[in-house]
Amino acid sequence: GAGVSQSPSNKVTEKGKDVELRCDPISGHTALYWYRQSLGQGLEFLIYFQGNSAPDKSGLPSDRFSAERTGGSVSTLTIQRTQQEDSAVYLCASSLDRGPSYEQYFGPGTRLTVT
Amino acid sequence: KNQVEQSPQSLIILEGKNCTLQCNYTVSPFSNLRWYKQDTGRGPVSLTIMTFSENTKSNGRYTATLDADTKQSSLHITASQLSDSASYICVVWVRGSTLGRLYFGRGTQLTVWP
Repeated sequence: GAGVSQSPSNKVTEKGKDVELRCDPISGHTALYWYRQSLGQGLEFLIYFQGNSAPDKSGLPSDRFSAERTGGSVSTLTIQRTQQEDSAVYLCASSLDRGPSYEQYFGPGTRLTVT
Repeated sequence: KNQVEQSPQSLIILEGKNCTLQCNYTVSPFSNLRWYKQDTGRGPVSLTIMTFSENTKSNGRYTATLDADTKQSSLHITASQLSDSASYICVVWVRGSTLGRLYFGRGTQLTVWP
């Protein structure tokens, strides 16, 4: 009965370094989403997975951002050559399937700070 | 301009009092609207979901209303408790070619004082 988990909970990195953020969705959930929440801003959609494929990656802000999902389960969001504006909370959510009737369950987020 | 606007941005009330949070949206075509509660350092948790045909839905001390004609929703919290201190986020699901997408408001930060 575990919920969505994310790791690390906090990450401090130097500008220019690469970071990997991990999301473990609820078992059996086929849809997985990544969002970014900057201070004082609403959640910003980044990318959506259905199984291992990403039909919608339109929210990725630049080519420094990439994500993958393996085994229809764990997903990693990678940010290359981090910039200070990448500092935010990165939230992962999963749902049983894609569509308005399926509730998205959110993880606790990873707080990324780029110094 | 954000397509899902929430007001007020922040609110402080005394324990036991009631409050109402507002959400106005411009996105369409509308599929459903959810209110989420986000405690500090946690992910959002769904409180209510409302479809186009629903006007009111309650979940304990939380009551959400929806006027799809004016594209307005409200979340009313009765007999507030200290644990209600959180950010309340209005989220609209918009139907689209790729099965739609969620649009998030920036949230109302509610603080309940003893």
